[in-house]
Order: sequence, then C-alpha cells, then structure tokens
Amino acid sequence: EAQVTQNPRYLITVTGKKLTVTCSQNMNHEYMSWYRQDPGLGLRQIYYSMNVEVTDKGDVPEGYKVSRKEKRNFPLILESPSPNQTSLYFCASSLSLAAQPQHFGDGTRLSIL
Amino acid sequence: RKEVEQDPGPFNVPEGATVAFNCTYSNSASQSFFWYRQDCRKEPKLLMSVYSSGNEDGRFTAQLNRASQYISLLIRDSKLSDSATYLCVVNRAGGFKTIFGAGTRLFVKA
Repeated sequence: EAQVTQNPRYLITVTGKKLTVTCSQNMNHEYMSWYRQDPGLGLRQIYYSMNVEVTDKGDVPEGYKVSRKEKRNFPLILESPSPNQTSLYFCASSLSLAAQPQHFGDGTRLSIL
Repeated sequence: RKEVEQDPGPFNVPEGATVAFNCTYSNSASQSFFWYRQDCRKEPKLLMSVYSSGNEDGRFTAQLNRASQYISLLIRDSKLSDSATYLCVVNRAGGFKTIFGAGTRLFVKA
C-alpha cells in the first residue's frame, strides 16, 4: 500500500530535549516536505527536499533541521525544542518537484512543555 | 497580508445546497493551484487541481482567474459527507514551495 509514515503520532516532551520525527515513504517519490499546522494559520512549509542530499528552507524553518540521506526518509529534527514549536506536523511526498497530489502522513502532534 | 487568503467560515448549509468558496493569492508569479480537503485532525487530501480553463469533477467545479488572482470552488448538491475544511493551495513559481490557505470550514446539515 502506498503510504507516508510518520512517527511518533503523539509526543509530549520538555523544552530543550532534542527530538526527531521520522518520515518514510514507499512510493519512490523525489519530493518530500514538512509542514506545521496551527489554528488560524493553516499549514506552513518548514523544509522541503527535491531529492537525496538536496534540501531547502520553507517559510518557517527556524528551530528545525532536516536531512535526506536516502530517498525514502526525511526526518525532522528539533535540536532544542521550545513551547512555540507545539503544533501538528505533517510530512508529505510527491512524485517530482511540487507535482500534485502531495501524499500526506497521518500527522504528529507535538507538545513542548 | 497572507499570501493565500480564504474566508474561514464556517459555512452552514442544508443538504442539497450549492455552496461556493473563494480564495485569493497575492503572488502573481504563482504557478499552480489546487483544492485540498481536510477532515478534523486528519491529513489533507487532494480534492482537485485548478486549471485556467476551469474544471469539473462530479459535483465540484473549480475556476481560476489569473487576472484577478483568485480561485473558486463550487460544490453542488451538498452531502453530509462534504462537511470538512477546504484548503486553497498555491505553488510558487518554480514549484518547490507550497502555500496553503488557512481553510474554509463547511458544515452540511440534514
């Protein structure tokens, strides 16, 4: 089954404790992206990747890092999480560039205390 | 001003009604346009792409007006299952960056 898998689905943690949200897709997609969704603001793009070892900033990259060492995986790293990073995060992938449809993972709800 | 703006609603309509959503975008270099649907706390899913000539998919019709920089979605014969948040999505020129509107909430009632 074609899918984008994010882990964990839910996480409550404390300020400053490094965390990684994993994202994996099994569709051989070149393009992957991370978004955060906050009430009233919609989804905002954090980082995206056009292919292995090629990443770039979206609109809200501060406080986040990503890597793309393999085509299928695109982890999101919060080196020193802060409460303003409490949000619902989605990983998405698509065939190439920003071709639609983007397939989304189920989301990760992060709470930073 | 947000790059992509939508009326947040909510729109409350009876079953069978026709409802229209508009979305405006500010970057004239925007390249491609879409409507996504998102159910509560779920992932967004593509509803339809929006083409300059307008396009239809069953009860759904999408229009793009590049001169006025707005996109519309028309839903005819609303069903209870159409209750969701509808997201207007724009890809900037080059296609790498995707901008989502904040969404329009629709409630269809029996």
